[in-house]
Amino acid sequence: GAGVSQSPSNKVTEKGKDVELRCDPISGHTALYWYRQSLGQGLEFLIYFQGNSAPDKSGLPSDRFSAERTGGSVSTLTIQRTQQEDSAVYLCASSAQGPQVDYGYTFGSGTRLTVV
Amino acid sequence: DAKTTQPTSMDCAEGRAANLPCNHSTISGNEYVYWYRQIHSQGPQYIIHGLKNNETNEMASLIITEDRKSSTLILPHATLRDTAVYYCIAGGSNYKLTFGKGTLLTVNP
Repeated sequence: GAGVSQSPSNKVTEKGKDVELRCDPISGHTALYWYRQSLGQGLEFLIYFQGNSAPDKSGLPSDRFSAERTGGSVSTLTIQRTQQEDSAVYLCASSAQGPQVDYGYTFGSGTRLTVV
Repeated sequence: DAKTTQPTSMDCAEGRAANLPCNHSTISGNEYVYWYRQIHSQGPQYIIHGLKNNETNEMASLIITEDRKSSTLILPHATLRDTAVYYCIAGGSNYKLTFGKGTLLTVNP
């Protein structure tokens, strides 16, 4: 596609349930990033995938969070046993050049997660 | 990534140039200066980046001081659609960009 696609755009879930958020990066982009943005806050880095290398998971806030990227393309961010503090907009970005980020990130529109 | 300091908010009249400053006094030699913006309810959008030299593209110009400790993003003719939060980031040498709180630019009619 022309841009980074994220689904669903909105998700309301009950506390304790698991959720899966999907990201379709731009075709050919080898680098993929997940960030989250809580209300009124800046972007918080979560995880980074680059090609076939082991992902950088240093930003994941707890072991309830995990992500995978299948076939170097689509990525899924999974949050288990959701808590109210997980409520945020989850943003995915992809980049043509990972290490130097020379060409900038292209972000999707995000998934707004609300845990009730 | 090096720490950046930006004003919390700025105003600009429609049609005038918007000059957004950023301090990054601890930037290291291999770190770039990046600018992104985020319009309400959208994902951030890449604007421009540079290392040492001034840069210009269809969206904006980036002026980096000779000592690289500060920079200015210039929107030459601001429109109402340029109202957004503008993020200045100094880093990227380790592929991971750290976004701060940014500057809320409000373009007024």
